[in-house]
Amino acid sequence: RKEVEQDPGPFNVPEGATVAFNCTYSNSASQSFFWYRQDCRKEPKLLMSVYSSGNEDGRFTAQLNRASQYISLLIRDSKLSDSATYLCAVNGGSNYQLIWGAGTKLIIKP
Amino acid sequence: GAGVSQSPRYKVAKRGQDVALRCDPISGHVSLFWYQQALGQGPEFLTYFQNEAQLDKSGLPSDRFFAERPEGSVSTLKIQRTQQEDSAVYLCASSLAGTNNEQFFGPGTRLTVL
Repeated sequence: RKEVEQDPGPFNVPEGATVAFNCTYSNSASQSFFWYRQDCRKEPKLLMSVYSSGNEDGRFTAQLNRASQYISLLIRDSKLSDSATYLCAVNGGSNYQLIWGAGTKLIIKP
Repeated sequence: GAGVSQSPRYKVAKRGQDVALRCDPISGHVSLFWYQQALGQGPEFLTYFQNEAQLDKSGLPSDRFFAERPEGSVSTLKIQRTQQEDSAVYLCASSLAGTNNEQFFGPGTRLTVL
């Protein structure tokens, strides 16, 4: 089992819909969790940090479920510009490593 | 600009050649990370520097890979005797400190080994 797993998709979603993805992690000692967005042939960029209490930024909501060891990302009122690959990252066994999922590809259709 | 820069952006090497990839982090960022990203995969950790100290190199896939950051700013990732399986995008990221802070990525170097 991989340390961080994501459904690769693609998720094909109509514009305006709500979409959610999960990311499971295996290290129960992990303390830092992030969602990054990566456009085709570009570098990853931070979308949101994920806090224990959950956090919301506009149309985006991230949540952490420690008991089941997963984080989630919810996108409301999806826009064409939301089309991208969404990567989750979790700090790993060492203090210096972020372990990354393979990403979930999202395609928003008009 | 004030972001992370990497050079070259693209590198084609013949199998067996040595390559050197450069990373200029954001000024003042203590932490510097190197990652390898294969097509359709997430970044895979290679190594981590805190200032000039290489604190974790457990992700380097073989002793052909070597990284340095001698003055605590610019870093170089060197790959000796390149192999076809080394073909990937090499990403550099910097952060204020450690893994609890946002990592800012450079545009990457796309390495193709023929």
